[in-house]
Amino acid sequence: QKEVEQDPGPLSVPEGAIVSLNCTYSNSAFQYFMWYRQYSRKGPELLMYTYSSGNKEDGRFTAQVDKSSKYISLFIRDSQPSDSATYLCATPGTSYGKLTFGQGTILTVHP
Amino acid sequence: DAGITQSPRHKVTETGTPVTLRCHQTENHRYMYWYRQDPGHGLRLIHYSYGVKDTDKGEVSDGYSVSRSKTEDFLLTLESATSSQTSVYFCAIGEQGVRSYNEQFFGPGTRLTVL
Repeated sequence: QKEVEQDPGPLSVPEGAIVSLNCTYSNSAFQYFMWYRQYSRKGPELLMYTYSSGNKEDGRFTAQVDKSSKYISLFIRDSQPSDSATYLCATPGTSYGKLTFGQGTILTVHP
Repeated sequence: DAGITQSPRHKVTETGTPVTLRCHQTENHRYMYWYRQDPGHGLRLIHYSYGVKDTDKGEVSDGYSVSRSKTEDFLLTLESATSSQTSVYFCAIGEQGVRSYNEQFFGPGTRLTVL
């Protein structure tokens, strides 16, 4: 079983919609979770970072961890065409210095 | 791209030829990584380095070797390229710390096609 799994989509939404992107992880001992955003033909860049459980908000973006169900989510409010990208969840799991990435979800926000 | 360059950015080669991809950083980060990205698989770790001459295997290391003789350079070699190694290759760097070891900064990628 992979340490983190993600529905690859693709996901297409109208501008202004609320977007929910989700991943599941395999081990309840995992504590750090990241969301990376990758624009077409670019390298991924860190978007959000969470530790343990609960919510973290940054502008229109909210990252949520539900440890009881081993579920991590990224919510995008008032989505914009500029949010169109691939979103990857990641976790170091129990390792040090390494990350395991989900498959990535391709999001398109159309005007 | 956080002071990370990759070369070449694009390469087309033939099956059985050796290929070397270079990653160069100007951030003096300890950790360096090579990933490949394929549709349906996301990013998969090939090899990583935690210091000069210190390297370890990742999830998909078969057919690849790496070397790191200087802090700033991390080379990925395909000794005899195969069509299954057609992919986009990303280099990343990271630094250890209370939380910063979790954050990796990615280069622009190298698009490799093996015919």
